[in-house]
Amino acid sequence: QKEVEQNSGPLSVPEGAIASLNCTYSDRGSQSFFWYRQYSGKSPELIMFIYSNGDKEDGRFTAQLNKASQYVSLLIRDSQPSDSATYLCAVNRLAAGNKLTFGGGTRVLVKP
Amino acid sequence: DVKVTQSSRYLVKRTGEKVFLECVQDMDHENMFWYRQDPGLGLRLIYFSYDVKMKEKGDIPEGYSVSREKKERFSLILESASTNQTSMYLCASTRPGFRHNEQFFGPGTRLTVL
Repeated sequence: QKEVEQNSGPLSVPEGAIASLNCTYSDRGSQSFFWYRQYSGKSPELIMFIYSNGDKEDGRFTAQLNKASQYVSLLIRDSQPSDSATYLCAVNRLAAGNKLTFGGGTRVLVKP
Repeated sequence: DVKVTQSSRYLVKRTGEKVFLECVQDMDHENMFWYRQDPGLGLRLIYFSYDVKMKEKGDIPEGYSVSREKKERFSLILESASTNQTSMYLCASTRPGFRHNEQFFGPGTRLTVL
């Protein structure tokens, strides 16, 4: 079992709809969780981080964390073509110190 | 604004060459990281450094070495480049405890080994 798992996609979403991305992790000692967006040929850029159970909203993005079920999700509301990218989930595990463990990423395609 | 820069965006080398990839950050971060990213395999940690002259192997250190002589600079060295080291290389940095260890990435170096 991979430490951080994501569906590779592509997740195809009509413009204006909600894109829902999921990430599961195996280490119960994980403390903080990050969503990065990566455009093709570019480096990852942070969208959000979350460390407490529940929802965290920032603009059109909402991160949801459920530590009991060991998953973290990202919702993108009112999806735009500019949201088309690969979204990487990253986890900071207690045993890993300051290192992050990344999932393989979910590719999102927003169609006009 | 945190800035992480990498010496080259694109690099083409020949098999057997010694290759240096440089990374510089301007935010006085203690921790720096080198990853490679390949389709279907995600980001994989090669090496990281938690302070000057300190280094630790990541998940895939074979064929690589690193150097950190100054806090702002972290170099990745391919002692004898091979075709299976063709990849996108990403450098990142963080300050321990800052925003729960958020990592800031450089623009990446796409290395092709012929």
